[in-house]
Amino acid sequence: GQQVMQIPQYQHVQEGEDFTTYCNSSTTLSNIQWYKQRPGGHPVFLIQLVKSGEVKKQKRLTFQFGEAKKNSSLHITATQTTDVGTYFCADGGTSYGKLTFGQGTILTVHP
Amino acid sequence: NAGVTQTPKFQVLKTGQSMTLQCAQDMNHEYMSWYRQDPGMGLRLIHYSVGAGITDQGEVPNGYNVSRSTTEDFPLRLLSAAPSQTSVYFCASSYSWQGGPYGYTFGSGTRLTVV
Repeated sequence: GQQVMQIPQYQHVQEGEDFTTYCNSSTTLSNIQWYKQRPGGHPVFLIQLVKSGEVKKQKRLTFQFGEAKKNSSLHITATQTTDVGTYFCADGGTSYGKLTFGQGTILTVHP
Repeated sequence: NAGVTQTPKFQVLKTGQSMTLQCAQDMNHEYMSWYRQDPGMGLRLIHYSVGAGITDQGEVPNGYNVSRSTTEDFPLRLLSAAPSQTSVYFCASSYSWQGGPYGYTFGSGTRLTVV
């Protein structure tokens, strides 16, 4: 079945450094969604990308969807301790609502 | 709006017992899903639904049943609990946008331990 691979699995940064996580698929994605999960919490929807080459920004977060719609990235500029958590990408799948998650990247920010 | 409400928040079961995890949403969302989350395994889809009366299996459906008799409720039934079902269970819902779901809202989860 459809698999979404996410790298890296872990990332440790000093506060103020940048952070990027990547999501790759062997097949074309209809859309890609990004979620953040704080330690002990539940996933929270960040954004959905639909168009080839799409770039969206949310304050210090930049999301990109590849031209071939097979990869995506989330970049955080100047990390803060509040950015700690696991970032998941998810294949938005078909109209039947089947959302398939990548393994996630666990971000640790050292003050 | 309460969003997505899951009950109970914590549960301990003995092997072989059955139980139902409740999930309710008050946002009139068409799409609802159940996930389990285990350490190092990410979020794995158990069952999902595109509307009342319509459900389908995800990647790990064995040992679980669902039904969707109303738009609001999507209960998950564990038929005969096993230690391998020890996990955190999340219910999520989404509205329809351009023919598909747009961004799922997750409940706060149920932490289940099977002994």
